[in-house]
Amino acid sequence: QERLVESGGGVVQPGRSLRLSCAASGFYFSTYGMHWLRQAPGKGLEWVAVISYDGSTKYYTDSVKGRFTISRDNSKNTLYLQMNSLRAEDTAVYYCARDREGGAFDPWGQGTLVTVSS
Amino acid sequence: EIVMTQSPVALSVSPGERATLSCRASQSVNSNLAWYQQKPGQAPRLLIYGASTRATGIPARFSGSGSGTEFTLTILSLQSEDFAVYYCQQYKYWPQFTFGPGTKVDIK
Repeated sequence: QERLVESGGGVVQPGRSLRLSCAASGFYFSTYGMHWLRQAPGKGLEWVAVISYDGSTKYYTDSVKGRFTISRDNSKNTLYLQMNSLRAEDTAVYYCARDREGGAFDPWGQGTLVTVSS
Repeated sequence: EIVMTQSPVALSVSPGERATLSCRASQSVNSNLAWYQQKPGQAPRLLIYGASTRATGIPARFSGSGSGTEFTLTILSLQSEDFAVYYCQQYKYWPQFTFGPGTKVDIK
């Protein structure tokens, strides 16, 4: 069974850092591009970042460029999101998802909540 | 940026009836369009990709159609488990993926 499990969320003060992890199982992780997406409380879905299957290519949405870094460790079947200089507007449930057909997302993890507050 | 809009914002449907949801893109996305279902407290689930291909395990009562800028998700004979928020998403303009604001389908 294909599965993604996020961890690492929590409450953090503005300006601080947090690293999210996403553990994959049930599929060949090293052959897929992977994404991070987020959903602010009561709001819609927003794509955050993508990394290619081998980690060589990365893209970010404009609002997180220079602050967030996506990475992966294919030996551990794990995806990461390093979030620095966090802002209140980064408060959201963060989901990891596998790339499907060049830009659809399937499956999704259950999400991890990040709250940026003083 | 490609802007996705969805209509209606909310839709009240009786169990067993059909629901028709619309999605529009500000520019053509060809068939690079996906639909997701999200229930309260849960992650989204992929229903349709390529505008009309059902994802693995998705019941046949869900169907997608359209291309270019106009798309439709049809749910035949709504079941109780289908009441949720539905999002469309374009992936033509890689990697600037964008979602619509969602349509909430609730029980009439």
